[in-house]
Amino acid sequence: DTAVSQTPKYLVTQMGNDKSIKCEQNLGHDTMYWYKQDSKKFLKIMFSYNNKELIINETVPNRFSPKSPDKAHLNLHINSLELGDSAVYFCASSLLVGGARNTEAFFGQGTRLTVV
Amino acid sequence: AQSVSQHNHHVILSEAASLELGCNYSYGGTVNLFWYVQYPGQHLQLLLKYFSGDPLVKGIKGFEAEFIKSKFSFNLRKPSVQWSDTAEYFCAVMNNNAGNMLTFGGGTRLMVKP
Repeated sequence: DTAVSQTPKYLVTQMGNDKSIKCEQNLGHDTMYWYKQDSKKFLKIMFSYNNKELIINETVPNRFSPKSPDKAHLNLHINSLELGDSAVYFCASSLLVGGARNTEAFFGQGTRLTVV
Repeated sequence: AQSVSQHNHHVILSEAASLELGCNYSYGGTVNLFWYVQYPGQHLQLLLKYFSGDPLVKGIKGFEAEFIKSKFSFNLRKPSVQWSDTAEYFCAVMNNNAGNMLTFGGGTRLMVKP
């Protein structure tokens, strides 16, 4: 059973297109994240949702719009894709309820997005 | 704002050599610390974590790390590496006051020669 699953695993698309990446977790966690890993392997937080509410929104172009229909899902929609959006996008989840501090994040397999 | 720095960007070792990867962080509050490993083409996997208690933590695959609060460090060690340890290693700090988000270091690429 996959704990955090992302689809698709690979995505190749042309500049200007709109695309979505889906993420689902079956761990019962209440918080989900999107991280971006660039070509130099640098990992950076993009967004975080807690119980469907946005709690972290780092400096990300507004072409990126996360959507959380429920606490088990956090999708990432990207409008007007640009070459610089090419990266690996990782979804993750963790547990925050009750102020849980001793908790770890579980990562999905990643989605390699290539914009051509 | 917190930050994490990993001093070694690329490390090349022969099998059976000992490994130590440096990690320093800057954050004023209570921290949770992690080391993740990313094998070629794969996702992030947790190697080990520190929340509290014994500052020497043991993880999977023979890895261990030591939290030294006075030095703001959390270095990763392994006494004898194997070819299969070739991977990218990431140190991370979790900010409990910011939705448990992780701040990652820049990563260290380890290559183990057979």
